[in-house]
Amino acid sequence: KAGVTQTPRYLIKTRGQQVTLSCSPISGHRSVSWYQQTPGQGLQFLFEYFSETQRNKGNFPGRFSGRQFSNSRSEMNVSTLELGDSALYLCASSSRDWTKNIQYFGAGTRLSVL
Amino acid sequence: GESVGLHLPTLSVQEGDNSIINCAYSNSASDYFIWYKQESGKGPQFIIDIRSNMDKRQGQRVTVLLNKTVKHLSLQIAATQPGDSAVYFCAEKVRQGNYGQNFVFGPGTRLSVLP
Repeated sequence: KAGVTQTPRYLIKTRGQQVTLSCSPISGHRSVSWYQQTPGQGLQFLFEYFSETQRNKGNFPGRFSGRQFSNSRSEMNVSTLELGDSALYLCASSSRDWTKNIQYFGAGTRLSVL
Repeated sequence: GESVGLHLPTLSVQEGDNSIINCAYSNSASDYFIWYKQESGKGPQFIIDIRSNMDKRQGQRVTVLLNKTVKHLSLQIAATQPGDSAVYFCAEKVRQGNYGQNFVFGPGTRLSVLP
């Protein structure tokens, strides 16, 4: 079974631009979560999507948004990029079984904002 | 609580020795915990999980201990190998409202295995 796939692996953008990251979950998984990882703040939760609906959102500004499609693939968008948005963006999928809810992570997209 | 990774704690162990990595969690209502391993250039990889109705769970060469009284988790790795060198994170599942849930990650511990 294929794992979580994130594209692209690397991105370089300039301040003020916008970016879209993509995540394909493990087949059969309907929940997709996004995290931002930086050396200073560690792993921070962005949002979770389940069945095309945002179920939960972390403490990030409205410039960060996402969506999920009917095939469970998800995209994350960051508008008006700032230098501080440089980070590794990780996507995780799970079956969202309430008794056991392992999140499986992709390799991430490394975003550099210049 | 949110994780703050200002200075990553480092644990150095000799190859073949046992490693113990500790983690404090924040929410006494959390009922599910996971340990992840992250190698350079990769996403976090699941190691072992434990529910709050258990105190201990064992896997292959790994054991997780949960102390709910002091909100503490530990990961024990037996006979540590060079391939165990990585950053290890604990994560607690927190619920938001009726449907929301997410994991809150600890700051991580870097494990360095010495030859």
